[in-house]
Amino acid sequence: ETGVTQSPTHLIKTRGQQVTLRCSSQSGHNTVSWYQQALGQGPQFIFQYYREEENGRGNFPPRFSGLQFPNYSSELNVNALELDDSALYLCASRAAGQGPYNEQFFGPGTRLTVL
Amino acid sequence: AQSVTQLDSHVSVSEGTPVLLRCNYSSSYSPSLFWYVQHPNKGLQLLLKYTSAATLVKGINGFEAEFKKSETSFHLTKPSAHMSDAAEYFCVVQSGGYNKLIFGAGTRLAVHP
Repeated sequence: ETGVTQSPTHLIKTRGQQVTLRCSSQSGHNTVSWYQQALGQGPQFIFQYYREEENGRGNFPPRFSGLQFPNYSSELNVNALELDDSALYLCASRAAGQGPYNEQFFGPGTRLTVL
Repeated sequence: AQSVTQLDSHVSVSEGTPVLLRCNYSSSYSPSLFWYVQHPNKGLQLLLKYTSAATLVKGINGFEAEFKKSETSFHLTKPSAHMSDAAEYFCVVQSGGYNKLIFGAGTRLAVHP
């Protein structure tokens, strides 16, 4: 176990709805990244938060947004859900500032199904 | 742009035989490369990482990988497979100033008795 937790574990929504996924970082980690893993594919980078600010974003539309809180926990929000948003959403945390190659620790993920 | 290509989507081996999972990378500068493993219903776990030090990298659970610049490869090996090694394996390159990870499509390793 990495110490990174995510909730909920599974979620079912319908097209057009909005969803919020949550991530609790490992203790001492100040940076959190979110990844989307579609079935049968590798994870794709959505965005990263450092000190409550987004400081990097992948090729995802603005309806994917996030927050990082003072305790470094994080939320991923997705508006206007589409069928293709069905995926495993992974959160990863690390301690930025301890070298460029410090390990990212992944949570178990939230499985989102959009009907 | 940086990328990784995993050459096999599925690999099947017998328990006790060697494992070879192949990965080629593309990078305009010296890359940081990783192998992650994903067991069903579990999070991604780092097996090993290459960060421009020794070209032969040893990881957890007996896995190792060799960085070969001339071949732009970073293949993962293990001398003797165990049933518990059955999982999805991802070759990953680190990219950008904010250290985002770029994953390959994955290789599913099956281990048979």
